[in-house]
Amino acid sequence: AQSVTQPDIHITVSEGASLELRCNYSYGATPYLFWYVQSPGQGLQLLLKYFSGDTLVQGIKGFEAEFKRSQSSFNLRKPSVHWSDAAEYFCAVVPNQAGTALIFGKGTTLSVSS
Amino acid sequence: KAGVTQTPRYLIKTRGQQVTLSCSPISGHRSVSWYQQTPGQGLQFLFEYFSETQRNKGNFPGRFSGRQFSNSRSEMNVSTLELGDSALYLCASSLSAAPGGYTFGSGTRLTVV
Repeated sequence: AQSVTQPDIHITVSEGASLELRCNYSYGATPYLFWYVQSPGQGLQLLLKYFSGDTLVQGIKGFEAEFKRSQSSFNLRKPSVHWSDAAEYFCAVVPNQAGTALIFGKGTTLSVSS
Repeated sequence: KAGVTQTPRYLIKTRGQQVTLSCSPISGHRSVSWYQQTPGQGLQFLFEYFSETQRNKGNFPGRFSGRQFSNSRSEMNVSTLELGDSALYLCASSLSAAPGGYTFGSGTRLTVV
């Protein structure tokens, strides 16, 4: 079945440590790919997106993501996590270029320890 | 510029009632999408409107409906509320018909009792 999978429900990272959040998708063609962040009680903020071209995408707040077609993955990374990065992170896809609806993964909650 | 505005922020309704939620997109944005967020099902697409026309619809029962006005403001309506409709309802707007570039509002938290 077509889906977006975020294997990690909850991750705890020490402040200053590096972060990688995993995302895998199962769609035939390369979809449009997104990462969103949601702080408690808030809406979603777009961190970055991939449509085509360079497979390493830079986003806001120091985040980057790498698209790997062979692994159907779009993992989010940050070299040094700050306490303010604690939030829930969602990977999302638009399955094909004719569509517009975002299909979301279940999300990964990031906790940052001092 | 102002972001996506959703009203009200919080709402409590009784089973069987109906509810209308409002979304004002960013000025100039013509596409408005609605999503439901629950702990069990996560984020699910409800529908999308572009230039007053419903362009896409998710897998929700007919009790969920929406519309978009000529000024791009959108409303969604849920009739005959059920306990399971309790959720955070998020609206997102976009400049064009192409995917991506969505800006989300802070949502309306609906509680059905």
